[in-house]
Amino acid sequence: DQQVKQNSPSLSVQEGRISILNCDYTNSMFDYFLWYKKYPAEGPTFLISISSIKDKNEDGRFTVFLNKSAKHLSLHIVPSQPGDSAVYFCAASGGGNQFYFGTGTSLTVIP
Amino acid sequence: NAGVMQNPRHLVRRRGQEARLRCSPMKGHSHVYWYRQLPEEGLKFMVYLQKENIIDESGMPKERFSAEFPKEGPSILRIQQVVRGDSAAYFCASSPTDSPYNEQFFGPGTRLTVL
Repeated sequence: DQQVKQNSPSLSVQEGRISILNCDYTNSMFDYFLWYKKYPAEGPTFLISISSIKDKNEDGRFTVFLNKSAKHLSLHIVPSQPGDSAVYFCAASGGGNQFYFGTGTSLTVIP
Repeated sequence: NAGVMQNPRHLVRRRGQEARLRCSPMKGHSHVYWYRQLPEEGLKFMVYLQKENIIDESGMPKERFSAEFPKEGPSILRIQQVVRGDSAAYFCASSPTDSPYNEQFFGPGTRLTVL
């Protein structure tokens, strides 16, 4: 039962353009959402989070948007850089201690 | 300030052997989480521990898997009588408090291969 879904396994974007990674969830009790970035052979690294009381959170080149009615969130990276090439995981929490992760989207930024 | 440390990074076991995975949380963190990532899948929660206590083991298989976080030393994830389906990357994460609104900091993972 996959409660957090990332339907695009991969995405390629030209350097300098915007990368948009999408995530959908099914559990309406989720109230905290995070994006993690993962390089090969390394653990996930926290990128940005958003609580359900907000619909947008921005940190430098990274912005996360939350649409609660659609149970959808997205991560925007602009401008995209080659160093952003990694696997991006969306995660959600419902007040418990476990995070529910999506299956990841592999982003390739083409120089 | 060292991050979350896991060892070994790679572990090869034959079917029926035992696997022991270790995790040292970040300094000052007393909450440890174990996740498993099977090939082509996302990370799946296994267990949440505080020092000397298992708080939530709802994601742990009922048999062969156990976890501990003793008063002294690292957290241990133990898999007895490993089978090929146990081959996966096992990640440990830690956080400073039990607030669900804190990020969890992940270690580099242990890649278990069962022959």
